Amino acid sequence: DTGVSQDPRHKITKRGQNVTFRCDPISEHNRLYWYRQTLGQGPEFLTYFQNEAQLEKSRLLSDRFSAERPKGSFSTLEIQRTEQGDSAMYLCASSLLTEWNGYTFGSGTRLTVV
Amino acid sequence: KQEVTQIPAALSVPEGENLVLNCSFTDSAIYNLQWFRQDPGKGLTSLLLIQSSQREQTSGRLNASLDKSSGRSTLYIAASQPGDSATYLCAAAKTGANNLFFGTGTRLTVIP
Repeated sequence: DTGVSQDPRHKITKRGQNVTFRCDPISEHNRLYWYRQTLGQGPEFLTYFQNEAQLEKSRLLSDRFSAERPKGSFSTLEIQRTEQGDSAMYLCASSLLTEWNGYTFGSGTRLTVV
Repeated sequence: KQEVTQIPAALSVPEGENLVLNCSFTDSAIYNLQWFRQDPGKGLTSLLLIQSSQREQTSGRLNASLDKSSGRSTLYIAASQPGDSATYLCAAAKTGANNLFFGTGTRLTVIP
């Protein structure tokens, strides 16, 4: 296992379109997190999963955003009716549940809404 | 909401200099803390993590310390190199919390 993988690396979409991103965490990590990062800012928490259960959602996660982790392995983040303000880097991270050993982040998906 | 502040926002130093990056957080409760490096347009690379029972960690030329009583952490970089140029992010979490809170980062430039 080489770490957390995110796909695609870059996505350009027209305003109003739907987009979906995928994250494959480190296989033995129970927890999976989604963060959003805009230019010049630190990452901001969106949501996290423990196995397949989505246990917390930030107020940043509007009703146009939905995340799933159907079998407790990979996760998808979908944004419906994209807006220019959704342009950002979307980062996925995973960690162990039983012992805090830090978060491992993926390379991110850069979304540009035009 | 947890606030994490990083000072300075940007730093430019000549190659070979030792430097310190600062991170502070509003709640001095027990914390796990993680320092990351981020290159432009890239994801986050973990540098050092300090669990709540620890006070410092070292990796090569990097040393991170955590003072829970004052709500502060520092990242010390010895003998800086141009390859160290990046943004350094500090992130903190309460024990048992479900997410990390990030600072806005310190953008470091090491001049050859």
